[in-house]
Amino acid sequence: GEDVEQSPFLSVREGDSSVINCTYTDSSSTYLYWYKQEPGAGLQLLTYIFSNMDMKQDQRLTVLLNKKDKHLSLRIADTQTGDSAIYFCAPFNKFYFGSGTKLNVKP
Amino acid sequence: NAGVTQTPKFQVLKTGQSMTLQCAQDMNHEYMSWYRQDPGMGLRLIHYSVGAGITDQGEVPNGYNVSRSTTEDFPLRLLSAAPSQTSVYFCASSRTVNTEAFFGQGTRLTVV
Repeated sequence: GEDVEQSPFLSVREGDSSVINCTYTDSSSTYLYWYKQEPGAGLQLLTYIFSNMDMKQDQRLTVLLNKKDKHLSLRIADTQTGDSAIYFCAPFNKFYFGSGTKLNVKP
Repeated sequence: NAGVTQTPKFQVLKTGQSMTLQCAQDMNHEYMSWYRQDPGMGLRLIHYSVGAGITDQGEVPNGYNVSRSTTEDFPLRLLSAAPSQTSVYFCASSRTVNTEAFFGQGTRLTVV
């Protein structure tokens, strides 16, 4: 079955880069997604990458995809306190999400 | 554009009571799903639907029922509430199974 792994926590200082990693067992998706969940709210789409791409950059966000190793990562440049949230990857074409990584940004 | 609307936002139930969590979307999405999120944990899929009249079980379906009589609505029924069902419940919808999912704001349920 589907299996998605993320480290549960990441703590960085404001202004540093954050890298959130996601590994998965299988994917036949056309798109692979990253969602952000702020406290007390539902998930919102943050960014995505097509399965035939290796990298996508969107302002401070960079998504890297290594299909051979089944590894997806999200890099946030110049991390701000407003980036503190839980980040979920969704690499499958079904209803399953990773367990989430809680990003804590220290001023 | 309301998106995905969940009601109620908060609910306290006594053990053994039943209730229905409501979910409605106005985007004409075929795919809808229900998740529970326990403290410090990710989302676990309860039930999902790929269209009106079609539902299926997710990872943790026990104690919950769903129906999908219209495209817009996907209610989740707790048959006999248990303290283990204390959680935050999220409903989501998407145009297809592999396109962006839109989430409601969640229902925080406490069973005492």
